[in-house]
Amino acid sequence: EIVLTQSPGTLSLSPGERATLSCRASQSVSGSSLAWYQQKPGQAPRLLIYGASSRATGIPDTFSGSGSGTDFTLTISRLEPEDFAVYYCQQYGTSPFTFGPGTKVDIE
Amino acid sequence: EVQLLESGGGLVQPGGSLRLSCAASGFPFSNFAMSWVRQAPGKGLEWVSVINYSGGSTNYADSVKGRFTISRDSSEDTLYLQMSGLRAEDTAVYYCAKARSSGYFSYLDSWGQGTLVTVSS
Repeated sequence: EIVLTQSPGTLSLSPGERATLSCRASQSVSGSSLAWYQQKPGQAPRLLIYGASSRATGIPDTFSGSGSGTDFTLTISRLEPEDFAVYYCQQYGTSPFTFGPGTKVDIE
Repeated sequence: EVQLLESGGGLVQPGGSLRLSCAASGFPFSNFAMSWVRQAPGKGLEWVSVINYSGGSTNYADSVKGRFTISRDSSEDTLYLQMSGLRAEDTAVYYCAKARSSGYFSYLDSWGQGTLVTVSS
């Protein structure tokens, strides 16, 4: 099983600041099959990024993904008030299709 | 617009059974793989199971293998999760999610709102 580790666990920032979230895999993720999801309290997750760096439909260009192999990054270039949420990475290249534990981005 | 509506959750005793349903609309259901993902109260996301577009191939997390069965009915555009031998640690919100492709090596591009399963005596 591929174990995903996300850091930091919590990121405290202000609106307008840049957020950098890390997702590290215990072994190489096949074909850069890495997705990022956003989840707000009481809501279902929402797809942000797939294939490590492709934005999903309707996702603003303030969100970007990068990385390959075992190290991946989600960057939010300028935090908007609605971006404060929990972010999960998931690898879908090798079954079981594991999720990371999440990074909470909260308002400083 | 893709819509996924889960139902069937509730309170069940340890060792009991429950069947979850997910009614899909707004897309050609029989063309896409589907998954179940769960989230225990206050915890992160856990992938549970996936089924390919035809229902001919399935896969499960080790934590549910042998106890849960995923299936689909394309005549009803509905996904199911039959759960048996339920344990307290199965308590979670269960989400139905649509894959982007017909095969199950895919990200999940649409999610339902979830149904809560509570396993307790």
